[in-house]
Amino acid sequence: DAGITQSPRHKVTETGTPVTLRCHQTENHRYMYWYRQDPGHGLRLIHYSYGVKDTDKGEVSDGYSVSRSKTEDFLLTLESATSSQTSVYFCAISLAGGETQYFGPGTRLLVL
Amino acid sequence: SQKIEQNSEALNIQEGKTATLTCNYTNYSPAYLQWYRQDPGRGPVFLLLIRENEKEKRKERLKVTFDTTLKQSLFHITASQPADSATYLCALDLGDNNAGNMLTFGGGTRLMVKP
Repeated sequence: DAGITQSPRHKVTETGTPVTLRCHQTENHRYMYWYRQDPGHGLRLIHYSYGVKDTDKGEVSDGYSVSRSKTEDFLLTLESATSSQTSVYFCAISLAGGETQYFGPGTRLLVL
Repeated sequence: SQKIEQNSEALNIQEGKTATLTCNYTNYSPAYLQWYRQDPGRGPVFLLLIRENEKEKRKERLKVTFDTTLKQSLFHITASQPADSATYLCALDLGDNNAGNMLTFGGGTRLMVKP
């Protein structure tokens, strides 16, 4: 998984609680991404970052926020988790936007 | 808005045969297109990238074609093996955002190679 780790790998939480997922890379890639993957929807971009403190929204950003205070870390926060946010979340990195992406192992999140 | 279509139905083939997967897209002219492989419970892994000026690209038993007129890419695995069983995703750049190109992924096609 190309120097990309995600934590936690599995999480069960309750509706209404805040959740933060972490992506850590050792590749010094400029771009980092958060996707969610659901049956029937494929991979959908939530947010991405093109540098420290530089982030932008993706296709399905409602209910999510991100932060990137260091090159190597990209955090995804669910402010108040809902059952519709039950999903598998993948982090990815790339040297430049649109270039080949390298994915982390994923985080499986269950919101009860 | 642009759309990427891959066969949502699983493709079942016999070992040794050639698997052909299709990726169609609409409303956009990407500069390049990528193919990824995803195994159950794991993140996608990059396989091949083909640019708009390349008709065909090969890597070992893999071959990708890119027809910008038809807006279609074909992904071939020759002499398929059970170990090739996985979901294959195509992805292309949006080319229209503030910070540079982004990738949009198709829903993927699951390939099952039977011994």
